Amino acid sequence: EVQLVESGGGLVQPGRSLRLSCAASGFTFGDYAMHWVRQVPGKGLEWVSGISWNSGSIDYAGSVKGRFTISRDNAKNSLYLQMNSLRVEDMALYYCAKDQYQLMIYSFDLWGQGTLVTVSS
Amino acid sequence: DTQMTQSPSSLSASVGDRVTITCQASQDISNYLNWYQHKPGKAPKLLIYDASNLETGVPSRFSGSGSGTDFTFTISSLQPEDIATYYCQQYANLPPSFGQGTKLEIK
Repeated sequence: EVQLVESGGGLVQPGRSLRLSCAASGFTFGDYAMHWVRQVPGKGLEWVSGISWNSGSIDYAGSVKGRFTISRDNAKNSLYLQMNSLRVEDMALYYCAKDQYQLMIYSFDLWGQGTLVTVSS
Repeated sequence: DTQMTQSPSSLSASVGDRVTITCQASQDISNYLNWYQHKPGKAPKLLIYDASNLETGVPSRFSGSGSGTDFTFTISSLQPEDIATYYCQQYANLPPSFGQGTKLEIK
């Protein structure tokens, strides 16, 4: 089955760190760029970060640049998001999303169900 | 950044109705526009890409049109399983951006 499954969310205090993971199956993970997109409960969708098929190109939203790091392991069919210096405004449901091509065109044709990050003291 | 203005924000319609949602971009995005369906607790699903192309496996009652700044998403005959929130998304300019969503309910 073609799917993406996120994990690693949870409750964390402001200023602390959290690492999200996304496990891909049912397609050739290493052939596609990948992204993280988040949704604050009750609000809209916000693109967070993207990485090309070979990690040669990486991009971040301005709101997370310098605090979040995206990475991938094609041998493990996995995508990661290291989130440091977390803020209350980072609290959201984080989705892993597959790009349509190897290089990032920011068109997402497969999504996971998301993992919830709660930032609170 | 490119702002995407989607309307209406919510919509109530009857089974069999024709439903239309619009999305306006703050600048020209050519046809670099997607439409997604999102049901609670589920993964968002790509329905339409490049403004008017139906994703594989998506029922033909869904369609999209438009280019430049003005786009339309249509369900030709609403079915009970179409209850969801629908989002447009542009990928012409960085960062990619989404409309605020249209929550579709059955009347």
